[in-house]
Amino acid sequence: DQQVKQNSPSLSVQEGRISILNCDYTNSMFDYFLWYKKYPAEGPTFLISISSIKDKNEDGRFTVFLNKSAKHLSLHIVPSQPGDSAVYFCAGNSGGSNYKLTFGKGTLLTVNP
Amino acid sequence: GAGVSQSPSNKVTEKGKDVELRCDPISGHTALYWYRQRLGQGLEFLIYFQGNSAPDKSGLPSDRFSAERTGESVSTLTIQRTQQEDSAVYLCASSLKRSGGEQFFGPGTRLTVL
Repeated sequence: DQQVKQNSPSLSVQEGRISILNCDYTNSMFDYFLWYKKYPAEGPTFLISISSIKDKNEDGRFTVFLNKSAKHLSLHIVPSQPGDSAVYFCAGNSGGSNYKLTFGKGTLLTVNP
Repeated sequence: GAGVSQSPSNKVTEKGKDVELRCDPISGHTALYWYRQRLGQGLEFLIYFQGNSAPDKSGLPSDRFSAERTGESVSTLTIQRTQQEDSAVYLCASSLKRSGGEQFFGPGTRLTVL
């Protein structure tokens, strides 16, 4: 049973436009969500997170939105840059085992110059 | 400051052999995690160490998998009698504390079982 779903395996956008990466989850116990970015041959690097008590968190060009009723979150990147091209993983965890991240399969973002 | 390092970066082995993967966490990080990523899949949690507490082994897929950590330093993940389905990238991460938040990942070890 996949608790975190990233239904789009890939996304292609033009430089300067907005990238929207989506993530759905099924575990209602999740109360903290993170986005990681991964370049080839490197480990994932933390990008941005959001607690379930919030519905938005912003950091520079990156904004994460959380819709708890829909069990949906999204990552917005604006403006997109070619260096943003990477695989983006959504992850969630719950207070009871708040160290154990459950990851989605990832979305490959390609930003075209 | 150095990040999380893992060795080897690549390992090719024959089915049935044992392999040992190493992780050096960031100095001062008390929590250490192992994940694996099979082709086309997300990262799967394997095991978690926090200080001197008993590790959470709930993600280990079988008793062929084991891991050790000496204090708050190096960890080794051992896979005995490897099978082809063990082929994956094995990722180690560390963090300052156990509470939810940022985990810093190493580059991973790509294991191929022939």
